Amino acid sequence: GENVEQHPSTLSVQEGDSAVIKCTYSDSASNYFPWYKQELGKGPQLIIDIRSNVGEKKDQRIAVTLNKTAKHFSLHITETQPEDSAVYFCAAINTNAGKSTFGDGTTLTVKP
Amino acid sequence: NAGVTQTPKFQVLKTGQSMTLQCAQDMNHEYMSWYRQDPGMGLRLIHYSVGAGITDQGEVPNGYNVSRSTTEDFPLRLLSAAPSQTSVYFCASTRKGGYGYTFGSGTRLTVV
Repeated sequence: GENVEQHPSTLSVQEGDSAVIKCTYSDSASNYFPWYKQELGKGPQLIIDIRSNVGEKKDQRIAVTLNKTAKHFSLHITETQPEDSAVYFCAAINTNAGKSTFGDGTTLTVKP
Repeated sequence: NAGVTQTPKFQVLKTGQSMTLQCAQDMNHEYMSWYRQDPGMGLRLIHYSVGAGITDQGEVPNGYNVSRSTTEDFPLRLLSAAPSQTSVYFCASTRKGGYGYTFGSGTRLTVV
């Protein structure tokens, strides 16, 4: 089955700095890669996603890159703000099989 | 539009008791899944469904049953609760074709 590794497990940055979270996956059949943000006491919320036929996608301060050959994808947050503090999860999905495999999460702390 | 509704939000069970966690979505999503979230272990897939009448096991299915008699509902049954099942449970749904999951707000279960 699919295995997703996520690094780092914790990340602390100063407000205004950039943050990068990386994930690797094992199943070459995975073709969809979403990222989720989970705030304390809430369910994960989709923040950005990328499909296997795209190398990069950007939405304001958030971007995701995908390297299919190396089987890794990354989340980039620029100009971080204290409200970006949360747990971030990556996932890899084979859309034909219908199930998601998640990374173990990264706790991001943005210090004001 | 309620999204994904999970009930109850909190539950305490005694070892050996059984119960059903309810999950309903009103978005006509084909795919539904149950995850458990333990501290430091991310989201682990229990069971999932790609449509009414179709269910399959995830990575941690033991001790849990599911059924999908309608598109809207996907209940999770704990057959004989054990302390190892103390966790936060999330139900999620998405439409077929590779899209991000919409998560419920979770059920915090404690087995004593």
